Amino acid sequence: GENVEQHPSTLSVQEGDSAVIKCTYSDSASNYFPWYKQELGKRPQLIIDIRSNVGEKKDQRIAVTLNKTAKHFSLHITETQPEDSAVYFCAAEGAGNMLTFGGGTRLMVKP
Amino acid sequence: GAVVSQHPSWVICKSGTSVKIECRSLDFQATTMFWYRQFPKQSLMLMATSNEGSKATYEQGVEKDKFLINHASLTLSTLTVTSAHPEDSSFYICSAPKTGSDGYTFGSGTRLTVV
Repeated sequence: GENVEQHPSTLSVQEGDSAVIKCTYSDSASNYFPWYKQELGKRPQLIIDIRSNVGEKKDQRIAVTLNKTAKHFSLHITETQPEDSAVYFCAAEGAGNMLTFGGGTRLMVKP
Repeated sequence: GAVVSQHPSWVICKSGTSVKIECRSLDFQATTMFWYRQFPKQSLMLMATSNEGSKATYEQGVEKDKFLINHASLTLSTLTVTSAHPEDSSFYICSAPKTGSDGYTFGSGTRLTVV
């Protein structure tokens, strides 16, 4: 089955700096890659997603890049703000339309 | 957009008792529902997939006799934790598959504490 690796597990940045989180996946048939932000005790909230027919997608301060050949995708957050502090998960959709999640990254934005 | 209502949001039960968690799709029909378990500071791990009209599919290592999953209708899927033990304490969350250009729809989650 699909295996998704996510790095780093924790990331601390100063407010205004950029944050980058990277994920790799194993199933070359995967074609949908969402990113979620999860606050403690809450459901995952979709922040951006990308499908395999594009290499990059941007939404204001958030961007995602996808390299299908290398089977990795990354989340980029620019001009970070304290409210960006949360746990972020990448995921890949494999067989059976099932999502496999990465291990998560705890992002801390210091004011 | 699509909404999945999950209840209860939290429950405390005694060891040995059973707890039922419900997920309802409010404005769409969900023939499939994914059930995840999330331990503190860990990722979401898929436990099983419920399918309306057929048996649930369980992931490796998940006890099907302990975690009973039923997809009673096109709008209701339930997870029953039978003979709960403290190690079953976790955050359980359901998710309907993505439809069209919409992403996956998650329930709000259930915090289960077994004492």
